[in-house]
Amino acid sequence: QVQLVESGGGLVEPGGSLRLSCAGSGFTFRDYFMSWVRQAPGKGLEWLSFISPQSHFVNYAKTVKGRFTISRDNAEASMFLQMKSLTVDDTAVYFCARETGYYDVDSIDLWGQGTMVIVSS
Amino acid sequence: QLGVTQSSSASASLGASVRLTCTLSSGHDSYAIAWHQQHPQKSPRFLMKVNGDGSHTKGDGIPDRFSGSSSGAERYLTISRLHSDDEADYYCQTWGTGSQVFGGGTKLTVL
Repeated sequence: QVQLVESGGGLVEPGGSLRLSCAGSGFTFRDYFMSWVRQAPGKGLEWLSFISPQSHFVNYAKTVKGRFTISRDNAEASMFLQMKSLTVDDTAVYFCARETGYYDVDSIDLWGQGTMVIVSS
Repeated sequence: QLGVTQSSSASASLGASVRLTCTLSSGHDSYAIAWHQQHPQKSPRFLMKVNGDGSHTKGDGIPDRFSGSSSGAERYLTISRLHSDDEADYYCQTWGTGSQVFGGGTKLTVL
């Protein structure tokens, strides 16, 4: 079954850190660009970061650049998002997403179920 | 700057058709977009990719009632023979070298 499964969400205090994981299965994980997207309560989708198949290219949205770090382990078919200096504005459901491209960013064609991150004191 | 704009809401009657619009920012008329459907408290679901020439590629299992098209900087999602479970939020997404962008979403109400 082709799927993405996120984990690692939870409650964290402002200024804290959290590491999210995304496990892919049912497809050749190493062949795809991957992204993180989040959705704050009652809001729309916000792209955060992408990583190329061999981790040569990464990029971040301005809102998280310098605080979040994306990485992947193709041997484990997994992707990660290390988040630090979290603020209440980072409270959201975080989705892992697969892109259709191999050589460049492209449309997202597969979503995970999401993991909730709550930043609160 | 690359961006996409969507109307915040749309409505249509059960069994009727509706066309949702996603407008690309100036200078990006040739860009492809993707449409995603999201029901409340669920993760998004990829519907289709719509190219600048109007051709489209649908995701697995997406019914024929869903189709895509283009005109200039506008990309469309047409849903025919509306079902009650088509009531959802619909997001368009586009991309350029180094970034992804989402529209604000259109909330579709099926009357």
